[in-house]
Amino acid sequence: GAGVSQSPSNKVTEKGKDVELRCDPISGHTALYWYRQSLGQGLEFLIYFQGNSAPDKSGLPSDRFSAERTGGSVSTLTIQRTQQEDSAVYLCASSLGSMKGTDTQYFGPGTRLTVL
Amino acid sequence: LAKTTQPISMDSYEGQEVNITCSHNNIATNDYITWYQQFPSQGPRFIIQGYKTKVTNEVASLFIPADRKSSTLSLPRVSLSDTAVYYCLVGGPNQGGKLIFGQGTELSVKP
Repeated sequence: GAGVSQSPSNKVTEKGKDVELRCDPISGHTALYWYRQSLGQGLEFLIYFQGNSAPDKSGLPSDRFSAERTGGSVSTLTIQRTQQEDSAVYLCASSLGSMKGTDTQYFGPGTRLTVL
Repeated sequence: LAKTTQPISMDSYEGQEVNITCSHNNIATNDYITWYQQFPSQGPRFIIQGYKTKVTNEVASLFIPADRKSSTLSLPRVSLSDTAVYYCLVGGPNQGGKLIFGQGTELSVKP
């Protein structure tokens, strides 16, 4: 079946511009995660959505970052007034259950963001 | 939150067994240990998960000592295609706050 998809696969933008990154989770998965992976680094947790509950935003690095999940499915990560340090691969994952720290996460291929 | 520590890199040869250890000294009672594999330009992929003792599946084994302060991912008879970065994640079912992956271990398998 279809896995997690993300778009665009690559995004180049200029410093100060806003960007939107999209994630389509696996159908039926109630949980959705966003991560950031800087070059050669590990995964940095950003935000977690579970069903209709309020999202866990504990990993968002600044108020320039926000995310929405409409209708319990597609999610959009928005970065306002992008900075060069925002350059990274942004990964989305989804999971079937509601156990945030133990559910198997299925990752998308990521969006590579480059801020010039 | 459980902080994890892994070796940055490891080298091996085809056919050898590889053991990658993750330290998690302040693991909580309800925490599980999960390992993911990541190939270049791809998202991570689940390998194995355990709580205590030993877990084995078709691709790997996971050894967790009684004190659970560390865990070892064991890959039997590695091949070139096992060259990847391996991450451990420690977290509980109702994990609050950030999910913290280890920094990852870059495994290089040579012919």
